[in-house]
Amino acid sequence: GESVGLHLPTLSVQEGDNSIINCAYSNSASDYFIWYKQESGKGPQFIIDIRSNMDKRQGQRVTVLLNKTVKHLSLQIAATQPGDSAVYFCAETIAGYQKVTFGIGTKLQVIP
Amino acid sequence: DTGVSQNPRHKITKRGQNVTFRCDPISEHNRLYWYRQTLGQGPEFLTYFQNEAQLEKSRLLSDRFSAERPKGSFSTLEIQRTEQGDSAMYLCASSPDLNYGYTFGSGTRLTVV
Repeated sequence: GESVGLHLPTLSVQEGDNSIINCAYSNSASDYFIWYKQESGKGPQFIIDIRSNMDKRQGQRVTVLLNKTVKHLSLQIAATQPGDSAVYFCAETIAGYQKVTFGIGTKLQVIP
Repeated sequence: DTGVSQNPRHKITKRGQNVTFRCDPISEHNRLYWYRQTLGQGPEFLTYFQNEAQLEKSRLLSDRFSAERPKGSFSTLEIQRTEQGDSAMYLCASSPDLNYGYTFGSGTRLTVV
């Protein structure tokens, strides 16, 4: 399949280790944030979201952290697996608006 | 209905030709979105429908682009007089009500030669 990860920042991790993917968002008015995973040849897939009234949210093997002071998001993946290899995008919006703005992706490579 | 379906998956066209893409959203989703993605970039918002009404359009959507959702079900995106700069992946997504956990389709890859 085609690559969506050309020339993207790349994070390489050993299988079983934890991964941390960082994102700086641009709009201080944004109050809703989403992480998407995009595998080669596929559309983005929703992973987890967080509202600005929270600073942490956990899902299955994933945790999102939000630091509004420095406009920073992170996605933590526990016990990274080969199936986690993909490009990860953070996205921001203002609740009630339709447009979601995607950031620059990070390519995660899991080393078996 | 297992997801958002887009057709065709790939389209190669000569500059100046018109192309049309189709998106079939998840049947119970009343909101439908079109995004464009170039290699190495995140998707960029193009337009949004709630049922059959087109409620928002990006300034990226020039007058050569038109999108429709005539019966509030499937949608089409047409590009007239294609240019090389139109080469990209065109992604469709749908959601029930205002829910940013969109379900995306696999996209239509357009190459203008």
